[in-house]
Amino acid sequence: GQQLNQSPQSMFIQEGEDVSMNCTSSSIFNTWLWYKQDPGEGPVLLIALYKAGELTSNGRLTAQFGITRKDSFLNISASIPSDVGIYFCAGSGAGSYQLTFGKGTKLSVIP
Amino acid sequence: EAGVTQFPSHSVIEKGQTVTLRCDPISGHDNLYWYRRVMGKEIKFLLHFVKESKQDESGMPNNRFLAERTGGTYSTLKVQPAELEDSGVYFCASSQAGRVGEKLFFGSGTQLSVL
Repeated sequence: GQQLNQSPQSMFIQEGEDVSMNCTSSSIFNTWLWYKQDPGEGPVLLIALYKAGELTSNGRLTAQFGITRKDSFLNISASIPSDVGIYFCAGSGAGSYQLTFGKGTKLSVIP
Repeated sequence: EAGVTQFPSHSVIEKGQTVTLRCDPISGHDNLYWYRRVMGKEIKFLLHFVKESKQDESGMPNNRFLAERTGGTYSTLKVQPAELEDSGVYFCASSQAGRVGEKLFFGSGTQLSVL
């Protein structure tokens, strides 16, 4: 089946630093999504991308849908302590409502 | 507006026992999904309901798993008999009709431990 390679697996950064994480796939996706999961909660959608090349921002977060449709990245600028959590990328192929998730990037922010 | 509610939040059972997980989607959401995250691995799709109909159950691991959505409201996921490898967090999500991922809300999950 389809698989997403998400990296890095974990990150420790200082408050105020910028963060970047990415996902790659061997298959083409028509939709790329980025989620954040806080402890004891379910994933919450941060950004949805529906077109190749699309660059979308949500506050301090910016994500891009790669031109090849096989990759996406998420940037967080000026990190703050509440950015701590696990970030997941997810993709979906044409005509499918089924999401394929990456393994997640665990972000720790040092005040 | 109430979110997606899952019950129980935690369940610890012995191998061979039966467990039933429940999901109450957001009112009015026709689409209901079940996903599972096994420790250290990615979140994996199990199945998708549209109202009471199973639209896609290609992710169900085997016939020990049975999902139902009577009347197109809440859904249950039964594991019978449970095996050790069934341990993990089971997430339910719901959405109205729309683009993939759009306004898709996840519940907090049920942590299942099979001993």
